[in-house]
Amino acid sequence: SSGLTQDPAVSVALGQTVRITCQGDSLRSHIASWYQQRPGQAPVLVIYGLNNRPSGIPGRFSSSNSGDTSSLTIAGAQAEDEADYYCNSRASDNSHYAFGPGTTVTVL
Amino acid sequence: QVQLVESGGGVVQPERSLRLSCAASGFSFSAYDMHWVRQAPGKGLEWVASISYDGNNKYYADSVKGRFTISRDNSKNTVFLQMNGLRVEDTALFYCAREFAGPSFDYWGEGTLVIVSS
Repeated sequence: SSGLTQDPAVSVALGQTVRITCQGDSLRSHIASWYQQRPGQAPVLVIYGLNNRPSGIPGRFSSSNSGDTSSLTIAGAQAEDEADYYCNSRASDNSHYAFGPGTTVTVL
Repeated sequence: QVQLVESGGGVVQPERSLRLSCAASGFSFSAYDMHWVRQAPGKGLEWVASISYDGNNKYYADSVKGRFTISRDNSKNTVFLQMNGLRVEDTALFYCAREFAGPSFDYWGEGTLVIVSS
């Protein structure tokens, strides 16, 4: 077990908002990063640090953090947002890293 | 532009060894910590190992500690993963990734496939 938990799957209607959560003790002291992985492709960083988006990531992606939980929000989901989403954080020992098990987002 | 290209994967029998390489270009390689992340078929991402920018600090997931060794050659802009004592459960697509702020992994290669099978 990575120590991080995520809901296995969520669905969202086209244009609506969906929130994906990641929970774990390490998140009390470390900020999560978030990755999108479409089928057959390498992961792509979508959020890092305190709600920062890399260049090229649409503004509909945002994150928030509270206690042991980090949340990724997609506001106005598009068809191309259908993918697996993984959270990641440095572990409590500050040397290891862990990924959550991933959440499959389906856009209806 | 930043590029990470993995190589060295293949089919190998259990208990045998394999050495993966990741060739980096488009950035100042010696300034960045690097990581290996793997993904078993149909499964999620698993962090495997990391190495500091100067090669002095190395960390491993418990699942590979003692069997895998990460190293780098900054003169060749390459990071390696030496995998010994391979097990069937090591079968995965192995990605190398660059560490960025946060921390996070901002660039990934396309991966190299390792299949451990008798």
